[in-house]
Amino acid sequence: AQKITQTQPGMFVQEKEAVTLDCTYDTSDPSYGLFWYKQPSSGEMIFLIYQGSYDQQNATEGRYSLNFQKARKSANLVISASQLGDSAMYFCAMRDYFGNEKLTFGTGTRLTIIP
Amino acid sequence: DTGVSQNPRHKITKRGQNVTFRCDPISEHNRLYWYRQTLGQGPEFLTYFQNEAQLEKSRLLSDRFSAERPKGSFSTLEIQRTEQGDSAMYLCASSPVSGHAQYFGPGTRLTVT
Repeated sequence: AQKITQTQPGMFVQEKEAVTLDCTYDTSDPSYGLFWYKQPSSGEMIFLIYQGSYDQQNATEGRYSLNFQKARKSANLVISASQLGDSAMYFCAMRDYFGNEKLTFGTGTRLTIIP
Repeated sequence: DTGVSQNPRHKITKRGQNVTFRCDPISEHNRLYWYRQTLGQGPEFLTYFQNEAQLEKSRLLSDRFSAERPKGSFSTLEIQRTEQGDSAMYLCASSPVSGHAQYFGPGTRLTVT
């Protein structure tokens, strides 16, 4: 069974600073994908970034990067130069590629950017 | 591009009533998913369609829940004889066959009184 663990229930970060949101995962499948989603107070889940288990390089999308450490089973999200609009819940998720389509989510981290 | 849309956005119902939610995926996305999210938790998978075929169902989807996607486009999720424990946000997502990410709609918030 897959499991995602996010140990930081909440974080406060000064505007323009970088922030790292932690995510560890557990799976016995060799082929899997890792995702980060942002959920503002409006409720919609916004896809941010994807990392495949066989990808050699860490994924980057604009100010978002995924620090993928396969041996440690961690997939931390790094947001550079944080902005007030980054305040939201952030969820780490994974899926495997052996017949499963579902995403398994963690419990999330609430990020608050302080001006 | 039009994103995933869901209707209604909010639904308040009395225990024992039936409710139906609708999801319109991104056009040409042939995969459609339903998730449920309760307060303080991440979304939990309910079911998945590829075109009109329902290919995967979670154990969370009890006999009171049914989902359809009759023409491979929009989908409906019906809950019969609602219970207070059904109160949650119901999220729909879609994805193309070739992509990895699932793109979510704004959700339907259900409150059962």
